[in-house]
Amino acid sequence: QQQVKQSPQSLIVQKGGISIINCAYENTAFDYFPWYQQFPGKGPALLIAIRPDVSEKKEGRFTISFNKSAKQFSLHIMDSQPGDSATYFCAASVTGGGNKLTFGTGTQLKVEL
Amino acid sequence: NAGVMQNPRHLVRRRGQEARLRCSPMKGHSHVYWYRQLPEEGLKFMVYLQKENIIDESGMPKERFSAEFPKEGPSILRIQQVVRGDSAAYFCASSQESRQYFGPGTRLTVL
Repeated sequence: QQQVKQSPQSLIVQKGGISIINCAYENTAFDYFPWYQQFPGKGPALLIAIRPDVSEKKEGRFTISFNKSAKQFSLHIMDSQPGDSATYFCAASVTGGGNKLTFGTGTQLKVEL
Repeated sequence: NAGVMQNPRHLVRRRGQEARLRCSPMKGHSHVYWYRQLPEEGLKFMVYLQKENIIDESGMPKERFSAEFPKEGPSILRIQQVVRGDSAAYFCASSQESRQYFGPGTRLTVL
């Protein structure tokens, strides 16, 4: 049972554009939603995370938008750069439930010049 | 201020051999998680450990896989009698609260 659905599977954006990746979850007990960035051959790196008590969180060029009623959250990368080309994973966990992360299937982002 | 360390980074085993993967958490972190990433897929939770205790092993295959996090030393993920389907990247993460920080992974290839 896939509890976190991520789309699109791949994304091509022009330099300077906005990259948008979406995730939807099923388990209403989830209360922590991080995004990870992974380069080939490397481990996932924590980018930004949000809890359901806020609808938006921004850190630099990265913004998470969160819609609790729709059980959806998204990552926006503003002014996308070629160095942002990587695979992005959304995830979710239950605080106090061991915090094990349930990951989406990933989005391969390519930022073209 | 070292991050999560994993070794070896690459491991090649023949079918039927044993694989031992090690993970040293970040300094001050007492929670360790193991995840498996198959080619072109997301990460799947395997096991969650604290020092000397397995807290949640709901993602571990019932046979051949085991994990430990002793009082002293790194966490170990052990795979006995490896099969080709075990070929994957295995990542360890450590945390103190909700934020998990991942190591570089061990890429296991079973011939």
